[in-house]
Amino acid sequence: NAGVTQTPKFRVLKTGQSMTLLCAQDMNHEYMYWYRQDPGMGLRLIHYSVGEGTTAKGEVPDGYNVSRLKKQNFLLGLESAAPSQTSVYFCASSYLIPGLAGPYNNNEQFFGPGTRLTVL
Amino acid sequence: KNQVEQSPQSLIILEGKNCTLQCNYTVSPFSNLRWYKQDTGRGPVSLTIMTFSENTKSNGRYTATLDADTKQSSLHITASQLSDSASYICVVRENTGTASKLTFGTGTRLQVTL
Repeated sequence: NAGVTQTPKFRVLKTGQSMTLLCAQDMNHEYMYWYRQDPGMGLRLIHYSVGEGTTAKGEVPDGYNVSRLKKQNFLLGLESAAPSQTSVYFCASSYLIPGLAGPYNNNEQFFGPGTRLTVL
Repeated sequence: KNQVEQSPQSLIILEGKNCTLQCNYTVSPFSNLRWYKQDTGRGPVSLTIMTFSENTKSNGRYTATLDADTKQSSLHITASQLSDSASYICVVRENTGTASKLTFGTGTRLQVTL
């Protein structure tokens, strides 16, 4: 049981390049999330998904796109990287509690190890 | 704007000593508060969750308290160990019915030394 895994662990991009971060979870969780963590700031939600085939914007979605084609995978794309996107990116997943609504249905989230991205 | 503020920003203590981390929030309406531990280079891991009706909850050497009236929580670590060196993040869930929201604190970085 690997939990939540992220690839790659590290990446350096030049401004304008594109890349995709992959998140995979083997816990059969309904909800998945992408966050960024910057020095002196709390984790900020980029996009999230409440199920296969559905995605929604979070707090800081600009410059990112996501897809959830399979329940276990959640992809984060940067189409044209900018230095402001230098950050550590965390993926998380959580399970559904029937009867409770909202994207943070159950706020115990299981996080991946993170991807450190540097954009030059 | 809902906020979660943690103090101190960083803390260094000797192994075996106790320490207390603080979390003050303005999130309303309040649903619950969770403490996470984040080791360097890793993702956060949940330590405990506090709901409105709970005042104290323990998880081994970690004890969390909640005062919903003053909107304050604390995380007390007893007999600290080197492995307690990490960042501790306070996260508050806002109860907005169909669309809940989480607000993350910036964390307290704890270093336990010999």
